[in-house]
Amino acid sequence: QSALTQPASVSGSPGQSITISCTGTSSDVGGYNYVSWYQQHPGKAPKLMIYDVSNRPSGVSNRFSGSKSGNTASLTISGLQAEDEGDYYCSSYTSSSTVVFGGGTKVTVL
Amino acid sequence: EVQLVESGGGLVQPGGSLRLSCAASGFTFSSYWMHWVRQAPGKGLIWVSRINSDGSHISYADSVKGRFTISRDNAKNTLYLQMNSLRAEDTAVYYCVRDLIAAASSYWGQGTLVTVSS
Repeated sequence: QSALTQPASVSGSPGQSITISCTGTSSDVGGYNYVSWYQQHPGKAPKLMIYDVSNRPSGVSNRFSGSKSGNTASLTISGLQAEDEGDYYCSSYTSSSTVVFGGGTKVTVL
Repeated sequence: EVQLVESGGGLVQPGGSLRLSCAASGFTFSSYWMHWVRQAPGKGLIWVSRINSDGSHISYADSVKGRFTISRDNAKNTLYLQMNSLRAEDTAVYYCVRDLIAAASSYWGQGTLVTVSS
């Protein structure tokens, strides 16, 4: 049950687009379309931003989008805004009937 | 409104035990899979365990298998996590979560802090 691999940090200027990658294996990310992305602000519970690879929950800005290619999923934030700063985690269902998270990516708006 | 309220956290010595509870309200508790997720101070999210609606399907992370037991009481709308043989590395905020897989919404409690230290 190794954690999914995410970059430790990603940064961008306001208005720019950034992409966070999430790499797993054929037993998790590559094997199922059950990848989710969460945003977490300090001291708060995580918030669901993307589910089932590319779907946005009601109320989440359309600046957030998700995709997947092979064993790697990606979250793109377009039109970066100050409130997008925080930690982002990917998660996936696995062939062991468990769930695995990525190590997290700190997003900084310059 | 969906509410998940964890309780039972605290300071425990290595090798000790603790039982966490999660009181659910605002939805039909008996219809949903439930999860426990933990987060060590300053670290990332780690999935711990999940249980299906009637308790017949359960899975655990390797790091807690054999030491932790998840259970639920649908009559009391409550999820539990019995934690035995606790280690320093189990120190974390423990979150109760509804919907982690294939769901258009995900509900998290505020978390309860477990500290394992002598």
